[in-house]
Amino acid sequence: AQSVTQPDIHITVSEGASLELRCNYSYGATPYLFWYVQSPGQGLQLLLKYFSGDTLVQGIKGFEAEFKRSQSSFNLRKPSVHWSDAAEYFCAVGESGNKLVFGAGTILRVKS
Amino acid sequence: SQTIHQWPATLVQPVGSPLSLECTVEGTSNPNLYWYRQAAGRGLQLLFYSVGIGQISSEVPQNLSASRPQDRQFILSSKKLLLSDSGFYLCAWSVGGTTYEQYFGPGTRLTVT
Repeated sequence: AQSVTQPDIHITVSEGASLELRCNYSYGATPYLFWYVQSPGQGLQLLLKYFSGDTLVQGIKGFEAEFKRSQSSFNLRKPSVHWSDAAEYFCAVGESGNKLVFGAGTILRVKS
Repeated sequence: SQTIHQWPATLVQPVGSPLSLECTVEGTSNPNLYWYRQAAGRGLQLLFYSVGIGQISSEVPQNLSASRPQDRQFILSSKKLLLSDSGFYLCAWSVGGTTYEQYFGPGTRLTVT
């Protein structure tokens, strides 16, 4: 079965600093990969997705992610973090049966 | 455009009481539908998913059940709630067929006392 690992439970960055959230997956074939964001008490919002093609994908809110097959990684990046980016971020991989397997999430704190 | 609704937004129920959470999707037909639970400080646990009316797959054995009486309606139920049922319940949908991209509703916060 597929699995997703997000090694960092919490990350704190200063406003204006760059951000990288790590995600590693376990999957035999080319995976379908996603990043979602969740603000407290709300549902999940899709930030970006990777299905095939260009390994650097752009998403909403200035986020991007890079698929690296050799490292089984799909890390999320943002060049300059805003206070409104404080939230929990989930990486997910598609699994047979139209399901998603989610990582445990990374809570991002932004300090001013 | 597609919209997904969940209600109620917040619910406080005593142990042993019944539960009914509802999810509806607008603007699409024959979606795949999903129920997740998110316990405090933990990730998302898939509870049920459905690819069509009356077709429910259970991922985790528990005292919850799901039903899909209409194409765009998904209901999560329990006959008798347990304390461990407390959590944040999320409904999601995806385009029917072979797809993985899911869209989430606003969630229901359930507290069992």
